Amino acid sequence: NAGVMQNPRHLVRRRGQEARLRCSPVKGHSHVYWYRQLPEEGLKFMVYLQKENIIDESGMPKERFSAEFPKEGPSILRIQQVVRGDSAAYFCASSPQSEQFFGPGTRLTVL
Amino acid sequence: GDSVTQMEGPVTLSEEAFLTINCTYTATGYPSLFWYVQYPGEGLQLLLKATKADDKGSNKGFEATYRKETTSFHLEKGSVQVSDSAVYFCALSDQGSNYQLIWGAGTKLIIKP
Repeated sequence: NAGVMQNPRHLVRRRGQEARLRCSPVKGHSHVYWYRQLPEEGLKFMVYLQKENIIDESGMPKERFSAEFPKEGPSILRIQQVVRGDSAAYFCASSPQSEQFFGPGTRLTVL
Repeated sequence: GDSVTQMEGPVTLSEEAFLTINCTYTATGYPSLFWYVQYPGEGLQLLLKATKADDKGSNKGFEATYRKETTSFHLEKGSVQVSDSAVYFCALSDQGSNYQLIWGAGTKLIIKP
C-alpha cells in the first residue's frame, strides 16, 4: 500500500544549477499537486496537474519553474538556474478526487 | 485574501497533559477547515476536518470545532502520548476551490515521557 513517493528526499544544488524533483502519486490517482514550504511559513500552493495537463499553475513563479505529469512516469517539478531563495521543502500530493494524500517532501538547499 | 494563523511552537508537554493548539482564520466565504499532522520523516496526513459552522471533527482522540463567531478551529486532545509528537498544520480550503489549501505555518508538538 505505497503512498505518495518523492525523491530525492534531500537535494543540494549550487546557484545556477537545475533541480529536478520527482513525485510518484498513489497508484490510480490522476490528480497531482505541488506545494512549497519556505522556512517558518505554511505550505503554498504551486500547481495542480492531471495526466498530461496543467490544470492550475497560478502559484508557480513565472520564470525558471515548470511542472509536468506525463502519461507514464512520475510528476516532475523542475527549477532552472536555482537561487538561494528557492531553498525550501517541496511537497507533492495526489488525490483520486478531492482529499489529498501527501508525500514526505523534498528538502532543497541551494548553496 | 484568506489566511490561517497558528500558535507558534514548539509546544512541549508531559505525557497525559491536555493539549490545545490554537488556529484562527480569515476567509470571505464559508471555507472547510482541516488539521493535518506530519510525523518525523513522513508526509502530511489528514487528521480531521469540518466543513461547516459548529461541525466537530474528531480522530485518534483529537477534536476541533468549527467556530464561525470566533473564526477559530482549535485542536484539542485530553491526554497526549509521546507518539503524538509531530508537526500539526491547520488549513482551509476556499469555497470556490476544493484543492487550493491555504496553510498555517505549523506547530511542532513535543511530548516528554
